[in-house]
Amino acid sequence: QKEVEQDPGPLSVPEGAIVSLNCTYSNSAFQYFMWYRQYSRKGPELLMYTYSSGNKEDGRFTAQVDKSSKYISLFIRDSQPSDSATYLCAMEGSSNTGKLIFGQGTTLQVKP
Amino acid sequence: GAGVSQTPSNKVTEKGKYVELRCDPISGHTALYWYRQSLGQGPEFLIYFQGTGAADDSGLPNDRFFAVRPEGSVSTLKIQRTERGDSAVYLCASSLTGYEQYFGPGTRLTVT
Repeated sequence: QKEVEQDPGPLSVPEGAIVSLNCTYSNSAFQYFMWYRQYSRKGPELLMYTYSSGNKEDGRFTAQVDKSSKYISLFIRDSQPSDSATYLCAMEGSSNTGKLIFGQGTTLQVKP
Repeated sequence: GAGVSQTPSNKVTEKGKYVELRCDPISGHTALYWYRQSLGQGPEFLIYFQGTGAADDSGLPNDRFFAVRPEGSVSTLKIQRTERGDSAVYLCASSLTGYEQYFGPGTRLTVT
Protein backbone atom coordinates (compact mmCIF):
# COMPACT_ATOMS: atom_id res chain seq x y z
CA GLN A 1 0.00 0.00 0.00
CA LYS A 2 1.31 3.43 -0.93
CA GLU A 3 1.84 6.05 1.77
CA VAL A 4 -0.25 8.56 -0.20
CA GLU A 5 -3.26 7.55 -2.29
CA GLN A 6 -4.81 9.76 -4.94
CA ASP A 7 -7.44 8.87 -7.53
CA PRO A 8 -5.83 9.44 -10.95
CA GLY A 9 -9.14 10.33 -12.60
CA PRO A 10 -9.55 11.74 -15.16
CA LEU A 11 -12.05 14.19 -13.75
CA SER A 12 -14.07 16.22 -16.26
CA VAL A 13 -16.22 19.18 -15.20
CA PRO A 14 -17.96 22.08 -16.94
CA GLU A 15 -16.54 25.57 -16.65
CA GLY A 16 -17.70 27.30 -13.48
CA ALA A 17 -18.10 24.09 -11.47
CA ILE A 18 -16.66 23.53 -8.01
CA VAL A 19 -13.94 20.90 -8.13
CA SER A 20 -12.98 18.67 -5.21
CA LEU A 21 -9.67 16.83 -5.27
CA ASN A 22 -8.63 14.48 -2.48
CA CYS A 23 -5.82 12.41 -1.05
CA THR A 24 -5.58 9.93 1.78
CA TYR A 25 -2.42 8.98 3.61
CA SER A 26 -1.23 6.43 6.12
CA ASN A 27 1.69 8.09 7.95
CA SER A 28 0.42 10.04 10.95
CA ALA A 29 3.79 11.82 11.25
CA PHE A 30 3.16 14.00 8.19
CA GLN A 31 2.93 17.66 9.21
CA TYR A 32 3.06 19.68 5.99
CA PHE A 33 0.60 19.12 3.17
CA MET A 34 1.09 20.61 -0.27
CA TRP A 35 -0.84 20.85 -3.51
CA TYR A 36 0.98 21.18 -6.80
CA ARG A 37 -0.38 21.81 -10.28
CA GLN A 38 1.41 20.28 -13.24
CA TYR A 39 0.70 21.14 -16.85
CA SER A 40 1.67 18.68 -19.54
CA ARG A 41 5.45 18.49 -20.02
CA LYS A 42 6.10 21.08 -17.30
CA GLY A 43 7.44 20.87 -13.76
CA PRO A 44 5.07 20.88 -10.76
CA GLU A 45 4.01 24.35 -9.57
CA LEU A 46 3.34 24.88 -5.87
CA LEU A 47 -0.23 26.06 -5.31
CA MET A 48 -0.62 25.95 -1.55
CA TYR A 49 0.71 24.37 1.60
CA THR A 50 -0.95 23.77 4.96
CA TYR A 51 0.65 22.98 8.28
CA SER A 52 -1.15 20.42 10.44
CA SER A 53 -4.96 20.45 10.39
CA GLY A 54 -7.30 23.16 9.22
CA ASN A 55 -8.23 25.19 6.18
CA LYS A 56 -6.34 27.62 4.02
CA GLU A 57 -7.78 29.79 1.28
CA ASP A 58 -6.05 31.52 -1.61
CA GLY A 59 -8.28 33.10 -4.21
CA ARG A 60 -10.37 30.39 -5.85
CA PHE A 61 -8.44 27.62 -4.07
CA THR A 62 -9.13 26.17 -0.61
CA ALA A 63 -7.03 23.46 1.00
CA GLN A 64 -8.35 21.37 3.89
CA VAL A 65 -6.51 18.93 6.13
CA ASP A 66 -8.21 16.46 8.46
CA LYS A 67 -5.43 14.69 10.32
CA SER A 68 -7.84 12.58 12.36
CA SER A 69 -9.09 10.98 9.13
CA LYS A 70 -5.74 11.24 7.32
CA TYR A 71 -7.53 13.00 4.48
CA ILE A 72 -6.73 16.19 2.59
CA SER A 73 -8.71 18.11 -0.02
CA LEU A 74 -8.29 20.88 -2.53
CA PHE A 75 -11.36 22.79 -3.68
CA ILE A 76 -11.37 24.93 -6.80
CA ARG A 77 -14.24 27.38 -7.13
CA ASP A 78 -15.46 28.81 -10.44
CA SER A 79 -13.22 26.42 -12.36
CA GLN A 80 -11.73 27.67 -15.63
CA PRO A 81 -10.41 25.83 -18.70
CA SER A 82 -6.95 27.10 -17.70
CA ASP A 83 -7.26 24.97 -14.53
CA SER A 84 -7.05 21.85 -16.72
CA ALA A 85 -3.92 20.09 -15.47
CA THR A 86 -2.75 17.30 -13.20
CA TYR A 87 -3.02 18.08 -9.49
CA LEU A 88 -0.55 16.42 -7.16
CA CYS A 89 -0.82 16.25 -3.41
CA ALA A 90 2.43 15.98 -1.48
CA MET A 91 3.34 15.53 2.15
CA GLU A 92 6.53 16.03 4.02
CA GLY A 93 8.15 12.91 5.34
CA SER A 94 8.53 12.50 9.07
CA SER A 95 12.21 13.42 8.98
CA ASN A 96 11.40 17.14 8.46
CA THR A 97 14.00 17.37 5.73
CA GLY A 98 11.61 18.30 2.98
CA LYS A 99 11.56 14.84 1.48
CA LEU A 100 8.15 15.04 -0.17
CA ILE A 101 5.93 12.02 -0.70
CA PHE A 102 3.63 12.58 -3.67
CA GLY A 103 0.31 11.11 -4.67
CA GLN A 104 -0.14 9.77 -8.18
CA GLY A 105 -1.88 12.94 -9.33
CA THR A 106 -5.44 13.60 -10.53
CA THR A 107 -5.95 14.76 -14.10
CA LEU A 108 -8.59 17.50 -14.31
CA GLN A 109 -10.27 18.74 -17.46
CA VAL A 110 -12.48 21.81 -17.34
CA LYS A 111 -14.65 22.05 -20.43
CA PRO A 112 -15.74 25.47 -21.76
CA GLY B 1 13.33 36.36 -10.23
CA ALA B 2 14.73 33.39 -12.10
CA GLY B 3 13.31 30.01 -11.24
CA VAL B 4 14.96 26.62 -11.17
CA SER B 5 16.52 25.71 -14.49
CA GLN B 6 17.50 22.28 -15.76
CA THR B 7 19.60 21.22 -18.71
CA PRO B 8 19.26 19.54 -21.06
CA SER B 9 15.48 19.59 -21.44
CA ASN B 10 15.64 16.30 -23.35
CA LYS B 11 18.29 13.62 -23.45
CA VAL B 12 18.28 10.50 -25.58
CA THR B 13 21.03 8.00 -24.88
CA GLU B 14 21.83 4.40 -25.65
CA LYS B 15 21.67 1.66 -23.07
CA GLY B 16 24.96 1.40 -21.21
CA LYS B 17 26.01 5.04 -21.71
CA TYR B 18 26.77 7.63 -19.03
CA VAL B 19 24.66 10.77 -18.63
CA GLU B 20 24.81 13.96 -16.59
CA LEU B 21 21.81 16.11 -15.77
CA ARG B 22 22.28 19.63 -14.46
CA CYS B 23 20.20 21.74 -12.08
CA ASP B 24 20.54 25.46 -11.34
CA PRO B 25 18.51 26.28 -8.21
CA ILE B 26 16.92 29.57 -7.22
CA SER B 27 19.63 31.89 -5.97
CA GLY B 28 20.01 31.68 -2.20
CA HIS B 29 18.14 28.41 -1.77
CA THR B 30 20.26 26.15 0.41
CA ALA B 31 18.21 23.00 -0.04
CA LEU B 32 18.15 21.14 -3.34
CA TYR B 33 16.22 18.02 -4.25
CA TRP B 34 16.17 15.54 -7.11
CA TYR B 35 13.04 13.58 -7.96
CA ARG B 36 12.16 11.13 -10.72
CA GLN B 37 8.74 11.05 -12.35
CA SER B 38 7.55 8.15 -14.47
CA LEU B 39 4.61 8.49 -16.82
CA GLY B 40 1.31 8.75 -14.96
CA GLN B 41 2.97 8.81 -11.54
CA GLY B 42 3.87 11.43 -9.00
CA PRO B 43 7.50 12.44 -8.48
CA GLU B 44 9.61 10.08 -6.37
CA PHE B 45 12.35 11.40 -4.12
CA LEU B 46 15.94 10.58 -5.04
CA ILE B 47 18.32 12.76 -3.01
CA TYR B 48 18.41 15.91 -0.87
CA PHE B 49 21.29 18.36 -0.46
CA GLN B 50 21.66 20.90 2.31
CA GLY B 51 24.48 23.12 1.14
CA THR B 52 27.21 21.00 -0.40
CA GLY B 53 26.48 17.76 1.39
CA ALA B 54 23.99 15.04 0.55
CA ALA B 55 21.80 14.97 3.66
CA ASP B 56 19.58 12.14 2.45
CA ASP B 57 20.30 9.88 -0.52
CA SER B 58 17.89 7.13 0.50
CA GLY B 59 15.90 7.43 -2.74
CA LEU B 60 18.75 6.65 -5.13
CA PRO B 61 17.75 3.31 -6.66
CA ASN B 62 21.25 1.80 -6.88
CA ASP B 63 24.93 2.68 -7.08
CA ARG B 64 24.68 3.65 -10.76
CA PHE B 65 23.13 6.91 -9.59
CA PHE B 66 25.22 9.64 -8.02
CA ALA B 67 24.75 13.37 -7.45
CA VAL B 68 27.03 16.23 -6.47
CA ARG B 69 26.69 19.85 -5.44
CA PRO B 70 30.31 20.95 -4.98
CA GLU B 71 29.79 24.67 -4.32
CA GLY B 72 26.37 24.57 -2.74
CA SER B 73 24.56 25.88 -5.79
CA VAL B 74 24.50 23.96 -9.09
CA SER B 75 23.94 20.23 -8.82
CA THR B 76 24.61 17.40 -11.26
CA LEU B 77 22.87 14.05 -11.26
CA LYS B 78 25.03 11.37 -12.82
CA ILE B 79 23.81 8.02 -14.11
CA GLN B 80 26.27 5.32 -15.15
CA ARG B 81 25.55 2.34 -17.41
CA THR B 82 22.05 3.57 -18.19
CA GLU B 83 19.23 1.06 -18.51
CA ARG B 84 15.91 1.36 -20.32
CA GLY B 85 14.18 1.42 -16.94
CA ASP B 86 15.96 4.71 -16.16
CA SER B 87 13.79 6.46 -18.75
CA ALA B 88 11.75 9.11 -16.92
CA VAL B 89 11.55 12.82 -16.25
CA TYR B 90 14.16 13.92 -13.73
CA LEU B 91 13.01 16.91 -11.70
CA CYS B 92 15.04 19.24 -9.55
CA ALA B 93 13.59 21.45 -6.82
CA SER B 94 15.07 24.02 -4.47
CA SER B 95 13.84 25.44 -1.20
CA LEU B 96 14.58 27.68 1.77
CA THR B 97 12.08 26.01 4.13
CA GLY B 98 11.99 22.38 3.00
CA TYR B 99 8.25 22.12 2.53
CA GLU B 100 7.99 24.98 -0.03
CA GLN B 101 9.79 23.40 -2.94
CA TYR B 102 10.03 25.06 -6.33
CA PHE B 103 10.53 22.76 -9.26
CA GLY B 104 12.33 23.14 -12.53
CA PRO B 105 10.88 22.02 -15.86
CA GLY B 106 12.66 18.68 -15.72
CA THR B 107 14.93 16.69 -18.00
CA ARG B 108 13.20 14.02 -20.05
CA LEU B 109 15.62 11.08 -20.27
CA THR B 110 15.05 8.37 -22.85
CA VAL B 111 17.30 5.31 -22.87
CA THR B 112 17.09 3.34 -26.12
